[in-house]
Amino acid sequence: DVKVTQSSRYLVKRTGEKVFLECVQDMDHENMFWYRQDPGLGLRLIYFSYDVKMKEKGDIPEGYSVSREKKERFSLILESASTNQTSMYLCASSFYSGGETQYFGPGTRLLVL
Amino acid sequence: AQKVTQAQTEISVVEKEDVTLDCVYETRDTTYYLFWYKQPPSGELVFLIRRNSFDEQNEISGRYSWNFQKSTSSFNFTITASQVVDSAVYFCALRGFSNDYKLSFGAGTTVTVRA
Repeated sequence: DVKVTQSSRYLVKRTGEKVFLECVQDMDHENMFWYRQDPGLGLRLIYFSYDVKMKEKGDIPEGYSVSREKKERFSLILESASTNQTSMYLCASSFYSGGETQYFGPGTRLLVL
Repeated sequence: AQKVTQAQTEISVVEKEDVTLDCVYETRDTTYYLFWYKQPPSGELVFLIRRNSFDEQNEISGRYSWNFQKSTSSFNFTITASQVVDSAVYFCALRGFSNDYKLSFGAGTTVTVRA
């Protein structure tokens, strides 16, 4: 069975804190993705990675960084959290080829105060 | 550039009614893939279907059916005899062949099924 897990379902952080969101997949997928979801905007891609230590910017990378040291793990980092980063964050993974289905984790609801 | 439009923001129906969700897409690619995902209140996006641009056959899976029409750039989704468990946000998504893994999502349609 396809499985993508995220380290936290809910997080509350203060402005200026460094925040780590972790995602793990057990399907040996090459590609991993981080999205944020906001009402009325659908899902927007922050970063993706197609291999270990490789990363590409998505549509809204500003204020975020990522790390992929192992194939199964992809971390999203908010260097200095701000209130406009309050959102739902979704991780996904897929095999390395065109059109492959992305499978999603349960999401992390982040509140930045 | 690629874009997905889900014009319906919210739909409310009574149990056992049919509901159709519209999805209109734009892409310059001749090869592309279309997806539908369901997001129940728990938050996890659940994959429902993938369709490539060369396969215009409609598909039925239980109470779910999909109508893909390239001529109108639409990929609509129908839930027949809706149930309360169908209450969720439904997203349509598109990946063009030239777009390097990037899925473009519509804004989503919230479906509420009342008992």
